[in-house]
Amino acid sequence: ETGVTQSPTHLIKTRGQQVTLRCSSQSGHNTVSWYQQALGQGPQFIFQYYREEENGRGNFPPRFSGLQFPNYSSELNVNALELDDSALYLCASTLGAGGPMNEQFFGPGTRLTVL
Amino acid sequence: AQKVTQAQTEISVVEKEDVTLDCVYETRDTTYYLFWYKQPPSGELVFLIRRNSFDEQNEISGRYSWNFQKSTSSFNFTITASQVVDSAVYFCALSQNRGDQGAQKLVFGQGTRLTINP
Repeated sequence: ETGVTQSPTHLIKTRGQQVTLRCSSQSGHNTVSWYQQALGQGPQFIFQYYREEENGRGNFPPRFSGLQFPNYSSELNVNALELDDSALYLCASTLGAGGPMNEQFFGPGTRLTVL
Repeated sequence: AQKVTQAQTEISVVEKEDVTLDCVYETRDTTYYLFWYKQPPSGELVFLIRRNSFDEQNEISGRYSWNFQKSTSSFNFTITASQVVDSAVYFCALSQNRGDQGAQKLVFGQGTRLTINP
C-alpha cells in the first residue's frame, strides 16, 4: 500500500449534480495530482496542487476544480455532472512539484458513476 | 505533444511463459522520463520502474526486465517465467521535467491487459 487514501470508494450521481472526491496524501508529501481513468483507458491528468495552489492543469473544463488544504490533503470537485464523467478518479501524491524523479504514489481511486 | 502507444490491448499466456509488453512514445523533449505501472483489479497503480532519457542501460529486477531504446522510442517490459499473480493491466507512461514551469504530469498509454492462465 502507498499510504494514499481516497474517499468514497464508489459513488453514484445523476446528471447535473455536483460531486466532491477526497484524497489524503502520503505523509510528508506536499503535492497532489488528480487523474481521470475512463473504462478501458489510461489515466488522464486533470490537475496538480502544490502547497495549496493549482500548479498545472490538463485538458479539462473549469467545472473540474480542486482544493488542497494545509495538511496537503486534497479535494476534487466536479459540477454539472455529465454522463462522460463516469470514471475512476485517481489521486497521486509526491514530494515536490515539477520533478519527475520523485515517484508519484497512487491511491486506490474513487469509482464515479453518473446516471 | 507527448504520446504513449501500447499497441497490445490484451495478452493471454500460460503460466511460466515469458511475455513482453510493448511501449512506444513520442516527445520533442530531450529530457524526459519513462515509467511502467501495474494496475491490479483493486485499481491502485503500482510503480514498477522509472528511466530517464539519458540512461539507456537496460535493467533486470528479478523476473522483470526493461529494454529502453531511444533510437526507436521504445521502452518495452518483459516478465520471465510469468505467474498468475502477474495478471493485471500494465501502463507505460511518459513525463517531462518541467522544473519550476509547472506540474509534472504523467502521460499514460492505453494499457495492456495481461492474463496469466494456470
